[in-house]
Amino acid sequence: GNSVTQMEGPVTLSEEAFLTINCTYTATGYPSLFWYVQYPGEGLQLLLKATKADDKGSNKGFEATYRKETTSFHLEKGSVQVSDSAVYFCALKSGGSYIPTFGRGTSLIVHP
Amino acid sequence: NAGVTQTPKFQVLKTGQSMTLQCAQDMNHNSMYWYRQDPGMGLRLIYYSASEGTTDKGEVPNGYNVSRLNKREFSLRLESAAPSQTSVYFCASSERAGLANTEAFFGQGTRLTVV
Repeated sequence: GNSVTQMEGPVTLSEEAFLTINCTYTATGYPSLFWYVQYPGEGLQLLLKATKADDKGSNKGFEATYRKETTSFHLEKGSVQVSDSAVYFCALKSGGSYIPTFGRGTSLIVHP
Repeated sequence: NAGVTQTPKFQVLKTGQSMTLQCAQDMNHNSMYWYRQDPGMGLRLIYYSASEGTTDKGEVPNGYNVSRLNKREFSLRLESAAPSQTSVYFCASSERAGLANTEAFFGQGTRLTVV
């Protein structure tokens, strides 16, 4: 079956530091990969996505590259801000599947 | 521009009480989902509806029932609430069941406490 594994948090950084949150997956077929962000007290919202191998998704300074050879989709940002403090979820969806599969989420805390 | 709307936002129940969580989406999506979110557990799928008229169990369906009332609405019912059902509940929807590249859209959640 499908599964997503992401690094455990919390990840604590100072403002302007470089961010990496690791995500690896197992899936049947050719999945699409997603990163969602959940700000405190809110629901999840899509941050970025990639639908085929070697695609790079990007949004709000965040990037992630779909690496089929390493089954990974690591999230990166060059310079984090306090406002990036949130929980980040890696997810996948396989063609023909009705159900997105989520990782457990990684909490990011950015200090001024 | 409502998207996915959940009601209520907060609820406190006594053990044994029943309640229904309401969810509606205005994006003409086929698939709808109910998740619960607990600390350290991430999101766990309770039930889903691939299309209007169908519902299926997810990972943690015990103690819950669902109704896909029409294409827009998907409700979650707790018949006899238990403290273990204290959680944050999220409804989500996505376009065209079976398409891989369609993301899920989430409501803002219902924070339920069972005492």
